[in-house]
Amino acid sequence: AQKITQTQPGMFVQEKEAVTLDCTYDTSDQSYGLFWYKQPSSGEMIFLIYQGSYDEQNATEGRYSLNFQKARKSANLVISASQLGDSAMYFCAMSTFYSGTYKYIFGTGTRLKVLA
Amino acid sequence: DADVTQTPRNRITKTGKRIMLECSQTKGHDRMYWYRQDPGLGLRLIYYSFDVKDINKGEISDGYSVSRQAQAKFSLSLESAIPNQTALYFCATSDLMDGSGSVCFGPGTRLTVL
Repeated sequence: AQKITQTQPGMFVQEKEAVTLDCTYDTSDQSYGLFWYKQPSSGEMIFLIYQGSYDEQNATEGRYSLNFQKARKSANLVISASQLGDSAMYFCAMSTFYSGTYKYIFGTGTRLKVLA
Repeated sequence: DADVTQTPRNRITKTGKRIMLECSQTKGHDRMYWYRQDPGLGLRLIYYSFDVKDINKGEISDGYSVSRQAQAKFSLSLESAIPNQTALYFCATSDLMDGSGSVCFGPGTRLTVL
């Protein structure tokens, strides 16, 4: 069965510090994608970063990086130099290609609070 | 203008009422999805559509129906709303030709069923 697990319901980090949000996944597919989305209190879902299963290098997007460890099936999000505006809910997600389309599975989310 | 729009953005209704949530997109994507979000459960897929002639059930389709009126429009209906359908509903789109398979979300519709 395909599954995304986020074991940290809530996290605190001091402003300007780095923080790692954990995500593990389970799939028997060889080709898949891993995503992180941010959901601020306003509710919208904001795409942050993507990692393909065949990508050898970890994805980076500005202050966001994805620590991809394929053998351990983990795809942790690292936010460097945290800002107050980073306080939000963060979702890890996985896409697999099945029967002509992508299917997406989301984790339950981690609520991050950045402290001044 | 937003690429994926949802109407209404907020709705309060009563048990037993029929309600429709609408989604429109200007991205030209062929795949469209409806998700619901509940606290502690993340996002769960209700229905998805490959194209106008294709509709597929997701993991929690009971109590819902959908209509893909055009490539750009995908509506979700609750035939007889019940309180446990109170949730945040997201429409989303994706493009098969996008190798990342990334999903573009609408702004969400907050539905309350009393």
